[in-house]
Amino acid sequence: DQQVKQNSPSLSVQEGRISILNCDYTNSMFDYFLWYKKYPAEGPTFLISISSIKDKNEDGRFTVFLNKSAKHLSLHIVPSQPGDSAVYFCAASATNDKIIFGKGTRLHILP
Amino acid sequence: GAGVSQSPRYKVAKRGQDVALRCDPISGHVSLFWYQQALGQGPEFLTYFQNEAQLDKSGLPSDRFFAERPEGSVSTLKIQRTQQEDSAVYLCASSLKGEHEQYFGPGTRLTVT
Repeated sequence: DQQVKQNSPSLSVQEGRISILNCDYTNSMFDYFLWYKKYPAEGPTFLISISSIKDKNEDGRFTVFLNKSAKHLSLHIVPSQPGDSAVYFCAASATNDKIIFGKGTRLHILP
Repeated sequence: GAGVSQSPRYKVAKRGQDVALRCDPISGHVSLFWYQQALGQGPEFLTYFQNEAQLDKSGLPSDRFFAERPEGSVSTLKIQRTQQEDSAVYLCASSLKGEHEQYFGPGTRLTVT
């Protein structure tokens, strides 16, 4: 039973446009959410996070939105750049508990 | 600065062999985590250490899996009598303390033939 779901296995976006990656969760105890980025043959790299007390967190080109009532979060990348091509993992945790990862979405930035 | 390192990067084992995977966390990081990532999946939690204490091993799939961190720095994940279903990338991560914002190593790709 997946607690963190990324329903789009892949996404293609034109360079310069906005990339939107979506994530749904089922566990209402989750209170911290993270996005990780992964290049081939490397480990995941922390990108951005959000606490459940907020609904938005922004860091440069990356913004994460949290909709607690819908148990949904999204990562916006704008403008998208070729180096953004990677697999993006959504992850969530409850206080003092382990992180649960989604299956990932492969983002392709098209020239 | 040095990140999390793991060795070996690749390991091929015959079914039934024992393997040992090593993780060197970032210096000073109290927390250390092991994950298993199967093909096409996200990382799945195996076990967690705070210093030398193994606080959570609920994700270890069987008693063939054993992890240790005897001096609170380097950790070893041991898999005994490997099976084909153990084939995966094993990721190690560390953090200053606690669960969030973990720093991952490059992983060890284990193939059991």
